[in-house]
Amino acid sequence: GAVVSQHPSRVICKSGTSVKIECRSLDFQATTMFWYRQFPKQSLMLMATSNEGSKATYEQGVEKDKFLINHASLTLSTLTVTSAHPEDSSFYICSARESRTNYGYTFGSGTRLTVV
Amino acid sequence: GENVEQHPSTLSVQEGDSAVIKCTYSDSASNYFPWYKQELGKGPQLIIDIRSNVGEKKDQRIAVTLNKTAKHFSLHITETQPEDSAVYFCAATTYNNNDMRFGAGTRLTVKP
Repeated sequence: GAVVSQHPSRVICKSGTSVKIECRSLDFQATTMFWYRQFPKQSLMLMATSNEGSKATYEQGVEKDKFLINHASLTLSTLTVTSAHPEDSSFYICSARESRTNYGYTFGSGTRLTVV
Repeated sequence: GENVEQHPSTLSVQEGDSAVIKCTYSDSASNYFPWYKQELGKGPQLIIDIRSNVGEKKDQRIAVTLNKTAKHFSLHITETQPEDSAVYFCAATTYNNNDMRFGAGTRLTVKP
């Protein structure tokens, strides 16, 4: 089945630094990838939708300059949290939709970001 | 846009019993309804899904039912096992749509 690899699984960074999270579709091409944020004991909150080769579409309230998304190829999307602050600490999850089916969303394993 | 409500928020059952989680959706155009299982510290994993052209789908101990008229769908887990303990999310979207909306999640605990 479709596999999405997300790295790193955990990262701790200092306030003011930037962190990059990678999301790769390993065995399929993903024209669309999604980035979510999840707070403890809460549901997934869609942050942005990225299409290969074009700018990401951000949900209302999500800062574009804070959360930079790049989707340069059909198998790779990256989320960069810039000038991170403790309130950015969260669980970030990506998902990818396989081009052929247009239905299935496959999720990555998530990244636990802690900003100290 | 689509709005998905999920109940209950927590569910505790004895091993071997059945568990039922219910969701409602608001957009009658939605035609794809997946269910995800999320274990602690991991990403959601698809466990079963249903499209609007069928009313029920079963995969071993897991089944999903869909009532398009009432705009609700349910997850049924029979003969529950401790390893079924996790958070379950329902979702709804339309074909070729980038707008999948999730329910708030149900924390299922199966007591041995």
